Amino acid sequence: EMQLLESGGGLVQPGGSLRLSCVASGFTFSTFAMTWIRQAPGKGLEWVSVISGSGGNRYYVDSVRGRFIISRDNSKNTLYLQMNSLRAEDTAVYYCAKDRGTNTDSFDYWGQGTLVTVSS
Amino acid sequence: DIQMTQSPSSLSASVGDRVTITCRASQTISSYLNWYQHIPGKAPNLLIHGASSLQSGVPSRFSGSASGTQFTLTISSLQPEDFASYYCQQSYSPPYTFGQGTKLEIK
Repeated sequence: EMQLLESGGGLVQPGGSLRLSCVASGFTFSTFAMTWIRQAPGKGLEWVSVISGSGGNRYYVDSVRGRFIISRDNSKNTLYLQMNSLRAEDTAVYYCAKDRGTNTDSFDYWGQGTLVTVSS
Repeated sequence: DIQMTQSPSSLSASVGDRVTITCRASQTISSYLNWYQHIPGKAPNLLIHGASSLQSGVPSRFSGSASGTQFTLTISSLQPEDFASYYCQQSYSPPYTFGQGTKLEIK
């Protein structure tokens, strides 16, 4: 059974940093691109960042580019999101999601999410 | 960036009703359009990919269609478990933007 399990969320002050992790199981992790998606309280889904299976290609939404870094360790079946210079507007539940196929950029499996709260 | 405009933002309907949700892209995205269902507290669920292809395991009462830059999700006969939020998402070019969502509520 395919599973994605996020961790690393919590309360952080504005300007602080946090690293999210997403451990995958049940599929060949290195074969699939992986994506982070977030949902702020009371808001809709927002695509944040994607990384290719090899890790060689990465894209970001403008609002996080230069502050967030997506990475992966295929030997550990783990996806990461390093979040720096956090702002109140980064407060959200962060989901990791698996690509449905080969770079389809649609998502067939999602984790349950981890909550990040940026507040003083 | 490609903007996805979804309508309506909310919708009240009854069990058994036929429901349609629309999503319009700000530029051509071919058929790179996906639909998700999201129930609060649960992981979102892929319903339709490629504008009209039903994801494996999704009931056949869900269907998708496309006409130019306008896309439609139809639920043919609402079931109690369908009351949720629905999102379109373009997978044509990054950032792979979502629509703002449609909250489907029980009338």
